[in-house]
Amino acid sequence: GESVGLHLPTLSVQEGDNSIINCAYSNSASDYFIWYKQESGKGPQFIIDIRSNMDKRQGQRVTVLLNKTVKHLSLQIAATQPGDSAVYFCAENSKRDYKLSFGAGTTVTVRA
Amino acid sequence: SAVISQKPSRDICQRGTSLTIQCQVDSQVTMMFWYRQQPGQSLTLIATANQGSEATYESGFVIDKFPISRPNLTFSTLTVSNMSPEDSSIYLCSVRAGPETQYFGPGTRLLVL
Repeated sequence: GESVGLHLPTLSVQEGDNSIINCAYSNSASDYFIWYKQESGKGPQFIIDIRSNMDKRQGQRVTVLLNKTVKHLSLQIAATQPGDSAVYFCAENSKRDYKLSFGAGTTVTVRA
Repeated sequence: SAVISQKPSRDICQRGTSLTIQCQVDSQVTMMFWYRQQPGQSLTLIATANQGSEATYESGFVIDKFPISRPNLTFSTLTVSNMSPEDSSIYLCSVRAGPETQYFGPGTRLLVL
């Protein structure tokens, strides 16, 4: 089946810098995308979502960008903090079955 | 969003035994899901727990190994049967709240010896 994947498995970021986490998807029928943050010992936490009729969506310190032409999704974290250290997953689904497909995950480590 | 709790939070079990994991939601939800997350890996959907009917299993997962109950709109259980060390994973329940968003419980960390 078609899948969602991440370009880089790990990302090391200096505290205060901006982080960019990338995700590629291959299912052209995908119309809804979510970013999750999973801290050690916890379940995935919803961060932000975006529908396919949008290119950009902003939250608190986070921005998600969607490029449907190249099937690419990114999560930008502004002024990265130590509490942002976690594994980040992108996930996608389509209205066909409402099932989420998850990418491999990117481990973000924030350096003090 | 929905508040989701799971019991137990972690367990260590002997091979050949079974463990039942409970998932409780603070509001009525139509769709509940069970996922497995093997060590260092991403999430894989096991099944959709349907209220009042049999669960819908994904490829590679069968009811005899992972029986699921969904007696009402706020509760579900997943049993991991006849466990082997390969079943050591984090088991997560999630619910669909709103049109498409899924929220996850804290997970149950299972170690099979």
